[in-house]
Amino acid sequence: QKEVEQDPGPLSVPEGAIVSLNCTYSNSAFQYFMWYRQYSRKGPELLMYTYSSGNKEDGRFTAQVDKSSKYISLFIRDSQPSDSATYLCAMSETRTGGSYIPTFGRGTSLIVHP
Amino acid sequence: EAGVAQSPRYKIIEKRQSVAFWCNPISGHATLYWYQQILGQGPKLLIQFQNNGVVDDSQLPKDRFSAERLKGVDSTLKIQPAKLEDSAVYLCASSLEGLAALQETQYFGPGTRLLVL
Repeated sequence: QKEVEQDPGPLSVPEGAIVSLNCTYSNSAFQYFMWYRQYSRKGPELLMYTYSSGNKEDGRFTAQVDKSSKYISLFIRDSQPSDSATYLCAMSETRTGGSYIPTFGRGTSLIVHP
Repeated sequence: EAGVAQSPRYKIIEKRQSVAFWCNPISGHATLYWYQQILGQGPKLLIQFQNNGVVDDSQLPKDRFSAERLKGVDSTLKIQPAKLEDSAVYLCASSLEGLAALQETQYFGPGTRLLVL
């Protein structure tokens, strides 16, 4: 079993839809959770990070963490064609030396069509 | 602010050949990372430098991969000899320090796509 599981998709939705992207994990030591967006032929860019269970909102994006279920989600409201990308979840535990190096999921490909 | 630069963007080689990738991090960033991203998978950390010292290279296949960061700025990653399974995107990233703060961010370059035939 991989430490981080993520459905690769693709997930195809119409413009304006609410998108739900999810990851599960097995390592209970993970305490820091991130979502990255990766456009085709580009490097990942950090969208959101959260440290605790609960919700965190940033514009059209909401990150949700449920540590008891080892389950995290990213919701995108009013999705736009420009949101079409691969979304990678990532998580980390504090390593020796205090460095929060992320472990990535495989990413979910999202396609928002006009 | 200029981003992380990588070259070349694409490389095609035959197995058993050698190849090198170059990365120039964001100015002032002390920490530099090399990741391998195989098609359909998330990035996997190969090596982390803090200035010109290695912090973590536990997942670097040292029998064929090597990396250096002379003078604590630019870095090169080398594969010698290459295998078919090395076909991947090699991503370089940098951060101001070493991700020791929760709010700190890694900035990724566009990557080098390697195809080993």
